[in-house]
Amino acid sequence: AQSVAQPEDQVNVAEGNPLTVKCTYSVSGNPYLFWYVQYPNRGLQFLLKYITGDNLVKGSYGFEAEFNKSQTSFHLKKPSALVSDSALYFCAVRDVSSNYQLIWGAGTKLIIKP
Amino acid sequence: GAGVSQTPSNKVTEKGKYVELRCDPISGHTALYWYRQSLGQGPEFLIYFQGTGAADDSGLPNDRFFAVRPEGSVSTLKIQRTERGDSAVYLCASSPDWKYEQYFGPGTRLTVT
Repeated sequence: AQSVAQPEDQVNVAEGNPLTVKCTYSVSGNPYLFWYVQYPNRGLQFLLKYITGDNLVKGSYGFEAEFNKSQTSFHLKKPSALVSDSALYFCAVRDVSSNYQLIWGAGTKLIIKP
Repeated sequence: GAGVSQTPSNKVTEKGKYVELRCDPISGHTALYWYRQSLGQGPEFLIYFQGTGAADDSGLPNDRFFAVRPEGSVSTLKIQRTERGDSAVYLCASSPDWKYEQYFGPGTRLTVT
């Protein structure tokens, strides 16, 4: 069965430090992978995606993510965290060989402390 | 350009009533999705439209839920005989095609009292 796991409910990082939000997935075919961010009382915003090509993908607001096929992971990273990065982050995967649905992780709350 | 818009932003209704939630996608986007989201959880897929037709409605929880997209643009999610368990934020998203990233609206917060 297809699934997405975000093993950490919450990640705390000091401002200026690097951050990582973890995501692992399970699909039977080739994955399309996405990260979205949700600020309080606002809709989901697209951050970045991996479809094919370079394993390191760069996205909005200085975020990047690394696709690792052998570890079936797609961790979100940023070299230097900002307080304004505090939000809820969702990883999602689509198995392009099976259906149109995005499978979503449960979300990770990122808290950046000044 | 204009993003995805949803109306109303908030809807409070009594148990047993009928509600309609509207989604106006980004112009030219053929794919449209409805989700619902409970506090602190990821979006739960409801239905996917490609053009005017529902390509996948496997996420609709029961026959009280129905959605239409008659002209391939605006979509309406309809809920009959609302129940308190239907209370959630209903999200709409659109995409140029199912392969691409989805762009979300701000959501409609539905509260059934």
